[in-house]
Amino acid sequence: AQSVAQPEDQVNVAEGNPLTVKCTYSVSGNPYLFWYVQYPNRGLQFLLKYITGDNLVKGSYGFEAEFNKSQTSFHLKKPSALVSDSALYFCAVPRVTGKLIFGQGTTLQVKP
Amino acid sequence: DTEVTQTPKHLVMGMTNKKSLKCEQHMGHRAMYWYKQKAKKPPELMFVYSYEKLSINESVPSRFSPECPNSSLLNLHLHALQPEDSALYLCASSLIAGVTNEKLFFGSGTQLSVL
Repeated sequence: AQSVAQPEDQVNVAEGNPLTVKCTYSVSGNPYLFWYVQYPNRGLQFLLKYITGDNLVKGSYGFEAEFNKSQTSFHLKKPSALVSDSALYFCAVPRVTGKLIFGQGTTLQVKP
Repeated sequence: DTEVTQTPKHLVMGMTNKKSLKCEQHMGHRAMYWYKQKAKKPPELMFVYSYEKLSINESVPSRFSPECPNSSLLNLHLHALQPEDSALYLCASSLIAGVTNEKLFFGSGTQLSVL
């Protein structure tokens, strides 16, 4: 069955430094992969998705994600973190029914 | 309008109360979803409506009763809830259901506390 894993419960980064939030996947066939972000007291917001094509996917708010088939990873990245990026980040993969399977989430804390 | 609107934002109810959560979208989406989310955990799918018909029920207890009166509205009727049902209830929509590359649009949720 399709699944994703986020190995880090929390990532701490200083403002202005690059950030990486990790996600690995286990899927059969060609994967569709998503990143969503949840700011405090809000619902989830779509950041970006990988369907096929370029391994580097650009998304909202300056985020990008790198699809790596050999490492079965889809890490979320940003060159320069902002305090306002502090949030809960979810990697997700859809099942064939369309049901979205989320990872356990990673809390990103960006300190000034 | 790219918003999913949920009301109320907060709800406190006793175990014998009946209440309803409401969700509305005007993006022309034909799939609507209810999710339950505990603090700092991933959302858990409860129900999916496709073209106003219930297409997925993730074995949710009958004290939760969904309703889709039209393509823009989704309700979740609550009755005889338990304290462990306290959570953030999220509504979401997408253009159509069952398509694996569709993104979801989420509302801000209703924070429910059951006393």
